[in-house]
Amino acid sequence: EVQLVESGGNLVQPGGSLRLSCAASGFSFTTYWMNWVRQAPGKGLEWVANIQHDGGEKNYVDSVKGRFTISRDNAKNSLYLQMNSLRAEDTAVYYCAKGSIAAAGIFDYWGQGTLVTVSS
Amino acid sequence: EIVLTQSPATLSLSPGERATLSCRASQSVRSYLAWYQQKPGQAPRLLIYDASNRATGIPARFSGSGSGTDFTLTISSLEPEDFAVYYCQQRGSWPPYTFGQGTKLEIK
Repeated sequence: EVQLVESGGNLVQPGGSLRLSCAASGFSFTTYWMNWVRQAPGKGLEWVANIQHDGGEKNYVDSVKGRFTISRDNAKNSLYLQMNSLRAEDTAVYYCAKGSIAAAGIFDYWGQGTLVTVSS
Repeated sequence: EIVLTQSPATLSLSPGERATLSCRASQSVRSYLAWYQQKPGQAPRLLIYDASNRATGIPARFSGSGSGTDFTLTISSLEPEDFAVYYCQQRGSWPPYTFGQGTKLEIK
């Protein structure tokens, strides 16, 4: 059974940093692209970043470029999101989502999310 | 960036009725469109990918159609568990992948 478990969400002040983690199990982690998708309170979904199976390619939405860094540790079956220079508009539930074998941009499994709140 | 516009914003129907949800793209995404269902307090769930392919374990009452800029998700006969928010998402031109703003399907 595929499982994705996010952690690391917290309350942080504007300008602060946070590192999110996603522990994956139940599938061959090293084979798949992985993604972060966020959802602000009461709002829709926004794709944030993705990373190729071997970490060779990374992509970001413009609003987080230069502030967020996606990474993975295939030996630990883990995905990460380092978030720096956080802003109020980064407040959201952050989901880890697995890309499907058919295509990286089909999100076939999701974690339950971790809440990041940016506020003073 | 491709903008996806979903309509209607809210759809009020009764169990057993047919639901038709629309998603329009600001430019062609070919057939690279997916649909997700999200219930309150839960993560999204993949329903349909590449416009018309049901994901693993998705009931046959869910179907998708369309290509280019206009897409439809149809639920042939609503079950009580189908009332949720539905999002479309494109991978035809990325980054970024983009989502529609959602359609809330509520019980009438």
